[in-house]
Amino acid sequence: RKEVEQDPGPFNVPEGATVAFNCTYSNSASQSFFWYRQDCRKEPKLLMSVYSSGNEDGRFTAQLNRASQYISLLIRDSKLSDSATYLCVVNMAAGGTSYGKLTFGQGTILTVHP
Amino acid sequence: NAGVMQNPRHLVRRRGQEARLRCSPMKGHSHVYWYRQLPEEGLKFMVYLQKENIIDESGMPKERFSAEFPKEGPSILRIQQVVRGDSAAYFCASSPMGSSYNEQFFGPGTRLTVL
Repeated sequence: RKEVEQDPGPFNVPEGATVAFNCTYSNSASQSFFWYRQDCRKEPKLLMSVYSSGNEDGRFTAQLNRASQYISLLIRDSKLSDSATYLCVVNMAAGGTSYGKLTFGQGTILTVHP
Repeated sequence: NAGVMQNPRHLVRRRGQEARLRCSPMKGHSHVYWYRQLPEEGLKFMVYLQKENIIDESGMPKERFSAEFPKEGPSILRIQQVVRGDSAAYFCASSPMGSSYNEQFFGPGTRLTVL
């Protein structure tokens, strides 16, 4: 089983649609969680950290379910500029793994079309 | 406040040559991380360094790869005797502190091509 697993997509949605991405992680001792986005051939850019209480930043909402080891990202009112690969990222920091190591999912490709 | 800087942005080497990749963290950040992204794959952790210390090198290949972060100057990822399989994008990230809750900010990457 992969340490961080995402549906690779691709998701093709029209502008204005709501789209949800899911992610599961294998290590129950994982400590922190993030969503990054990566545009083609560019560096990953931090979209948001994910907190147990859930958090929202504009059109983006992230949820964490520790019991199910599940993370989600909801994008409302999709824009063309949201087209990118969305990376689910976990800091496992347990069992001898240092807190410096981020573990990335394979990414979910989103294309928003007019 | 400049972000994480990496150079060169593109590097071409022939098999057997050495590659040196440099990373300057964001101002005020003393923790540096290197990741590798092979073509069509996800990012994989390589090494975590603080000034003059390697904290975690669990993701580094056992041979030919080394990293340092000297007291002065940028962090260096060094690949000796490169092979075609080393062709990838190498990303550096930095954070202000060494906590698992710290967000890591990435540089633009160095794209290494081995001929």
